[in-house]
Amino acid sequence: AQSVTQPDIHITVSEGASLELRCNYSYGATPYLFWYVQSPGQGLQLLLKYFSGDTLVQGIKGFEAEFKRSQSSFNLRKPSVHWSDAAEYFCAANTGNQFYFGTGTSLTVIP
Amino acid sequence: SAVISQKPSRDICQRGTSLTIQCQVDSQVTMMFWYRQQPGQSLTLIATANQGSEATYESGFVIDKFPISRPNLTFSTLTVSNMSPEDSSIYLCSADPGGGIEAFFGQGTRLTVV
Repeated sequence: AQSVTQPDIHITVSEGASLELRCNYSYGATPYLFWYVQSPGQGLQLLLKYFSGDTLVQGIKGFEAEFKRSQSSFNLRKPSVHWSDAAEYFCAANTGNQFYFGTGTSLTVIP
Repeated sequence: SAVISQKPSRDICQRGTSLTIQCQVDSQVTMMFWYRQQPGQSLTLIATANQGSEATYESGFVIDKFPISRPNLTFSTLTVSNMSPEDSSIYLCSADPGGGIEAFFGQGTRLTVV
């Protein structure tokens, strides 16, 4: 069955430190891949997406993600985290028929 | 991209009552989607709403509990009927004017049932 896995439920980083959020998908072909951010009480905002081509994609707010077919992964990275990045992050995959969302990673940023 | 407006943004409701959530998209879309996000959980698709046809519900969701309207290509409503505290969740509307590959979301409706 298709699925998206985010192994880390909660991550804490210091402001200015680098960040990597992990995401793995389970699907026979390469799905369309997305990262969303959800601030408290808000909807989901699209950070970036991968459809095809260059496996390193740039998004908004200084985020990037790298698609690795061999690992079925689409990890989100940011070189220097800001306090305003504290939020819930969701990885998602669209197989063409349906969206599958991961369970989310909650990011805490400490000063 | 798409701008999706949802209202109300939050509500506190008595058990046994119903709440209708509205979703407006700034462009015409074929499909609109309704999700539920229970506290601390990920998103679960409730149903897909196509204009001019009955909504398609996912397993575990039924029309009597979550009736959906889709009167035109930019608007949809989701009603949460006969509410119980277990219905306390964030309800999210989603659409993609580009044909369904991407998903753009409204700001969500935070529902608390007391």
